Amino acid sequence: GAVVSQHPSWVICKSGTSVKIECRSLDFQATTMFWYRQFPKQSLMLMATSNEGSKATYEQGVEKDKFLINHASLTLSTLTVTSAHPEDSSFYICSARGDWGSYNEQFFGPGTRLTVL
Amino acid sequence: AQSVTQPDIHITVSEGASLELRCNYSYGATPYLFWYVQSPGQGLQLLLKYFSGDTLVQGIKGFEAEFKRSQSSFNLRKPSVHWSDAAEYFCAVASRTYKYIFGTGTRLKVLA
Repeated sequence: GAVVSQHPSWVICKSGTSVKIECRSLDFQATTMFWYRQFPKQSLMLMATSNEGSKATYEQGVEKDKFLINHASLTLSTLTVTSAHPEDSSFYICSARGDWGSYNEQFFGPGTRLTVL
Repeated sequence: AQSVTQPDIHITVSEGASLELRCNYSYGATPYLFWYVQSPGQGLQLLLKYFSGDTLVQGIKGFEAEFKRSQSSFNLRKPSVHWSDAAEYFCAVASRTYKYIFGTGTRLKVLA
């Protein structure tokens, strides 16, 4: 149980285009979803937290207009990288937490590799 | 502010040798602590977690970790390393807002 999927697993796009990444909780309802970014050989950095039906909360330094997050249902969140540039190339990982028990850990997706040419 | 420190960026051990990966955290209350493993180009796999109770936690793949409040540490151990354990290991601390703070990671290399 508690499986999170991401689609696509990798994407290559041209500079200036927009790319959408989907994050789905397959067997549970995700109260909250998180989006992380990981540069090569570095750690995961939290970009934003989204609750279903609410606006996402972005971490300091993350451009809201660049990284659009939508959490329209309890099983789906999307991250859209708008007007992508080569510096946006990175590994994007989502996670989701449910709403059961006394503490709800995050379950991580397999990640999406974005390469912007 | 919360923080996680993994002092060792790289560790190399011989196959069959014991392993200890260090993790120190800074958090004002009782933390929720995690160890994850990541193979190249892959997502995170949870090895073990500590929420409360017994301070020695058993995980998957023969890993264990011990929570030491006095030392603010949560070190990961394995008595005998296998070549397939070569990967990046991340320690994370979580607050009651459910945000995770990750350490910088330790890259493990296993010599045959």
